[in-house]
Amino acid sequence: DSGVTQTPKHLITATGQRVTLRCSPRSGDLSVYWYQQSLDQGLQFLIQYYNGEERAKGNILERFSAQQFPDLHSELNLSSLELGDSALYFCASSTGQAPYTDTQYFGPGTRLTVL
Amino acid sequence: AQSVSQHNHHVILSEAASLELGCNYSYGGTVNLFWYVQYPGQHLQLLLKYFSGDPLVKGIKGFEAEFIKSKFSFNLRKPSVQWSDTAEYFCAVISAGNMLTFGGGTRLMVKP
Repeated sequence: DSGVTQTPKHLITATGQRVTLRCSPRSGDLSVYWYQQSLDQGLQFLIQYYNGEERAKGNILERFSAQQFPDLHSELNLSSLELGDSALYFCASSTGQAPYTDTQYFGPGTRLTVL
Repeated sequence: AQSVSQHNHHVILSEAASLELGCNYSYGGTVNLFWYVQYPGQHLQLLLKYFSGDPLVKGIKGFEAEFIKSKFSFNLRKPSVQWSDTAEYFCAVISAGNMLTFGGGTRLMVKP
């Protein structure tokens, strides 16, 4: 158990819908990262937040957005869902104090299926 | 842009065989390198990491990796695999922006 929690574990929805994925970081970690794992794209970095502020952005679609709240939990919002958005979405957290050497600890992931 | 290549997509070994998984990265600056493992149905776990110093890094569960700067490589090794090592292994590099870039992964199956 990494200490990072994600809910829900599984999510099944239809095309065009909007979903919210939730992540709680390890106690004391200020940075939260979101990754997407799909069969064709592999593991891809989406976005990072540090203490409530966006810090880095990767291959995140405009239909996707995220935020980090004052209690440091984070939510990833996916809208206008398409079949290709079906994937495993991981959240990771780190202390954020040493950007290049921080170890990121991963949560169990949310499996999103878009029908 | 940085990228990470793992050339072996699937590896099948018998127990007690030696393992070497290849990882090459493309990035001209200072990099920090990681190997993560994902056991079936589980989350990614850190096996080992290299930041600086001794290029031979020892990790958990008997794994080690060697950083060869001239070859842009960070290959993962284990002298004798066990059935419980069956998993998917990901090499990753981190540089600017604290962004982890992952390789495509190598699925290892160890036959008992």
